[in-house]
Amino acid sequence: GAGVSQSPRYKVAKRGQDVALRCDPISGHVSLFWYQQALGQGPEFLTYFQNEAQLDKSGLPSDRFFAERPEGSVSTLKIQRTQQEDSAVYLCASSLWRAGELFFGEGSRLTVL
Amino acid sequence: KNEVEQSPQNLTAQEGEFITINCSYSVGISALHWLQQHPGGGIVSLFMLSSGKKKHGRLIATINIQEKHSSLHITASHPRDSAVYICAVGAYSGGGADGLTFGKGTHLIIQP
Repeated sequence: GAGVSQSPRYKVAKRGQDVALRCDPISGHVSLFWYQQALGQGPEFLTYFQNEAQLDKSGLPSDRFFAERPEGSVSTLKIQRTQQEDSAVYLCASSLWRAGELFFGEGSRLTVL
Repeated sequence: KNEVEQSPQNLTAQEGEFITINCSYSVGISALHWLQQHPGGGIVSLFMLSSGKKKHGRLIATINIQEKHSSLHITASHPRDSAVYICAVGAYSGGGADGLTFGKGTHLIIQP
């Protein structure tokens, strides 16, 4: 597609449910980033992929968070046993190379009740 | 970890005014990004710069590497410029991403 596509745009989950958020980056972009943005805050880095390799996952807040990009294109961020503090907008960004211009998706807004 | 500070946090101005948003960071970087985020919307990259100055339409971004400081200027501001402007810096050393470190953003409102 023309831009970075994320789905779902909005997700409401009950505490304890598992959720999966999808990111479809721009075709050919090697680098893919996930960020978490709490209300009124700037985005915080979660994890980074170069093709299918997850090179940095230092920002994942707990072992309930898991991300994959098995074929080096689409990526999924999975959150297990969601908690209220997981409520945030999850942003995906891709770039042609690691330090290149970033293109962001619209984000997935997760609300955990 | 890089500390990124933006000022002001909130700015309300009248249409036509010249706007300046500042960003300072604590550790040397490879590149600095200025991003725009509309309410409920995604983030758009405005500039990526590592030195000097860049201009696109009514937007101008400057960076002073020695002083670890960047500014985003908007000339002849318009209500459609109302958005959150975010500064983000990256170091890109080593094999990992180093992530981008984001400022908290500047909430700009341009009144007609």
